[in-house]
Amino acid sequence: NAGVTQTPKFRILKIGQSMTLQCAQDMNHNYMYWYRQDPGMGLKLIYYSVGAGITDKGEVPNGYNVSRSTTEDFPLRLELAAPSQTSVYFCASSPLSGAATNEKLFFGSGTQLSVL
Amino acid sequence: AQTVTQSQPEMSVQEAETVTLSCTYDTSESDYYLFWYKQPPSRQMILVIRQEAYKQQNATENRFSVNFQKAAKSFSLKISDSQLGDAAMYFCAYKRRGGADGLTFGKGTHLIIQP
Repeated sequence: NAGVTQTPKFRILKIGQSMTLQCAQDMNHNYMYWYRQDPGMGLKLIYYSVGAGITDKGEVPNGYNVSRSTTEDFPLRLELAAPSQTSVYFCASSPLSGAATNEKLFFGSGTQLSVL
Repeated sequence: AQTVTQSQPEMSVQEAETVTLSCTYDTSESDYYLFWYKQPPSRQMILVIRQEAYKQQNATENRFSVNFQKAAKSFSLKISDSQLGDAAMYFCAYKRRGGADGLTFGKGTHLIIQP
């Protein structure tokens, strides 16, 4: 069982470039999340989705966009990369509230992004 | 909005000893979950232990246990018989029951194990 798969694992961007971080889960989870982790800090929520076609902003959404066309995929788009977006990005998923797994989040292995 | 505070940026413990990591949180909700996640240098987020707020009994998982004080909004993690493999960043996190907006994390505590 693959769980939550993030690609790429590492990426270097130049200022102003664009890219998409891919996230896919094979557990049929309704909820998906994107977090960023700056050095020496905890994870902060960028965007989340409760199902296909539904997305909402988290704590730090500026400079990012998301879409959720299928249950499995939740890509994160950076349109004009800035040095402040240098971070480790985590995708996570969870089943519907009240499910047997008691609202546990399943995390991908992260993407290290550097903007130079 | 809920907040999670970890006041110890770094802790050090001798191998085989016991260490306690502190966490406090602030919320107006009565029904929620609290978590401790471990992040080793591989950066994988590993769930260590979970506590449901409506359960008075403190959660335990082998060498890991928590001291949950709901009235004080405190949630500390005790690691017994510390092992070299326990060295990692530890994050305390909060989740409102039924909330769709995921976890709120503290800034983390870096745990060093001295051989």
